Amino acid sequence: QTVVTQEPSFSVSPGGTVTLTCDLNSGSVSTSHYPSWYQQTPGQAPRTLIYSTNTRSSGVPDRFSGSILGNKAALTITGAQADDESDYYCALYMGSGISVFGGGTRLTVL
Amino acid sequence: EGQLVESGGGLVQPGGSLRLSCAASGFTFNKFAMSWVRQAPGKGLEWVSSIINNGGSTYYPDSVKGRFTISRDNSKNTLYLHMNSLRAEDTAVYYCASRHNYAYDSWGQGSLVTVSS
Repeated sequence: QTVVTQEPSFSVSPGGTVTLTCDLNSGSVSTSHYPSWYQQTPGQAPRTLIYSTNTRSSGVPDRFSGSILGNKAALTITGAQADDESDYYCALYMGSGISVFGGGTRLTVL
Repeated sequence: EGQLVESGGGLVQPGGSLRLSCAASGFTFNKFAMSWVRQAPGKGLEWVSSIINNGGSTYYPDSVKGRFTISRDNSKNTLYLHMNSLRAEDTAVYYCASRHNYAYDSWGQGSLVTVSS
């Protein structure tokens, strides 16, 4: 069974930098998994931030960036702002039309 | 950016059926694959099903395979999710989303499905 793991929670100071990761139990995450990242605030629909590892979706500020770090996908927020406080989800494409989400990371900005 | 509006959610008894709809506008619907993603109360996102642009292929995780059916009517710019044999664990907000470069692109506002007696 494919399991995608994210840090359950993370904290960052305003103006600081934070890197959230997305790990795969069956091996290394690569660009072939087309990692994508989504931001969700309570009661709202998700918002697409990053697709294909490092491409920002339309209107997403450049303080959000995606990458592969070691064997994981990563989302880095540089210069965190108060309204970045949200849940963040990664998703990996596993082939054959199958997509798997990570469990999400709750980011606190304080 | 596209607009997606879900409808059809509500309260249904265990073992019952329900059909969700998703009306698309603002983009060329028949050029994009589409998906359904759900979120149980207080839980994370879960992929539920996907369909390619012409409806020729569909995909499901094991958790809903054989019970849910995704379909689309490109003449009406509408995506559907037919849900049968519903269980309490299917209770969730169901989002439709367009697909682009193996990712979810535009999202609807969601439709709540509650399975309870």
